[in-house]
Amino acid sequence: SQQGEEDPQALSIQEGENATMNCSYKTSINNLQWYRQNSGRGLVHLILIRSNEREKHSGRLRVTLDTSKKSSSLLITASRAADTASYFCATDGQGGSEKLVFGKGTKLTVNP
Amino acid sequence: DAGITQSPRHKVTETGTPVTLRCHQTENHRYMYWYRQDPGHGLRLIHYSYGVKDTDKGEVSDGYSVSRSKTEDFLLTLESATSSQTSVYFCAIRGQDTDTQYFGPGTRLTVL
Repeated sequence: SQQGEEDPQALSIQEGENATMNCSYKTSINNLQWYRQNSGRGLVHLILIRSNEREKHSGRLRVTLDTSKKSSSLLITASRAADTASYFCATDGQGGSEKLVFGKGTKLTVNP
Repeated sequence: DAGITQSPRHKVTETGTPVTLRCHQTENHRYMYWYRQDPGHGLRLIHYSYGVKDTDKGEVSDGYSVSRSKTEDFLLTLESATSSQTSVYFCAIRGQDTDTQYFGPGTRLTVL
């Protein structure tokens, strides 16, 4: 069963705009991660936020975590065509951090 | 791809035949994972390993077995392939002293 669920399922924006994706999960977590997948490739880790953190930045990425609402958001600022990919959140769920449970992903299209 | 290779990268086989997929890492990491990715389901854990000869089931383990006789190799076997096992299979390793996972390039398996 999926622990994280991303929203929206698909998002289409113009280059230069910001993209926001959301992730909701069901059980307590130690950390939450975001991954990117370009078409036909393996997933690439973007950022990890721990349960005691509320916000984290990495370049044009900003991740927030609200443990009271069991939700996280990923913001990509000043998007580029190269940001076109699927984005997944992953949580460590109830089994500890040795296993991750991935959501179904948000497919982001950035139009030039 | 963090020193992870998968072989074969593509395979077409017939229902009822055995299939073995190989994941090889050069990083000497303890944890290795096999996932399958299907449209509408995201990434789902099949089996994982936490050391040589130490493996455990994931969410969708029925019809699959694994073996790990060396730290660097993690094999996934479909004893008798079925059409429902047509999928893209990803291997991943967990980084040392981190909860982040690093993914291989994937194997596209088609069972006719």
